[in-house]
Amino acid sequence: DAKTTQPNSMESNEEEPVHLPCNHSTISGTDYIHWYRQLPSQGPEYVIHGLTSNVNNRMASLAIAEDRKSSTLILHRATLRDAAVYYCILRDGGANSKLTFGKGITLSVRP
Amino acid sequence: DTGVSQDPRHKITKRGQNVTFRCDPISEHNRLYWYRQTLGQGPEFLTYFQNEAQLEKSRLLSDRFSAERPKGSFSTLEIQRTEQGDSAMYLCASSLSTGWEGYTFGSGTRLTVV
Repeated sequence: DAKTTQPNSMESNEEEPVHLPCNHSTISGTDYIHWYRQLPSQGPEYVIHGLTSNVNNRMASLAIAEDRKSSTLILHRATLRDAAVYYCILRDGGANSKLTFGKGITLSVRP
Repeated sequence: DTGVSQDPRHKITKRGQNVTFRCDPISEHNRLYWYRQTLGQGPEFLTYFQNEAQLEKSRLLSDRFSAERPKGSFSTLEIQRTEQGDSAMYLCASSLSTGWEGYTFGSGTRLTVV
């Protein structure tokens, strides 16, 4: 599986936007970019995914660079409940692929 | 359907004992995955099933580990002769087999081997 690189941690203020970066310079043409997050004492939770175009859903937005070698997860207004570990994962679009997690980025939100 | 259920939530066992965990996936999901997570690390893939067939096993899954999914519904993960290094959170997830579908994870079973 292609690898991703994320900072170890990031801090943000409540009600401000948060931009979580991810580098994936070895991405292949069939790799989807997935983001999951894990709240304390819970299993990971799906956030968003995309292939080439930017994506929006009720939880977040995903901005994908034109060359697809990096992406950014955007939380438009951080809340205290958004404090979690966020994982950026490349997943091959083939039917038998699985999620391979790295260490993720720990987001802290200040009140 | 209330999501993926795992039982028990916590398990403390003595070294050398056998333990078994259960996972009940979302009913319409045909794929089921087991992961293990230690403190400060992301989840590590152990194995997955499509219906009742076990399609892939990680090298992490030693001979002491066995997983089953009879009838393609719930799954069990058994660890025989537990060791202190087996202490971890064991996570189960399920999904549909269409390529991009997101996984739904359970809250995990935390195993402590003393």
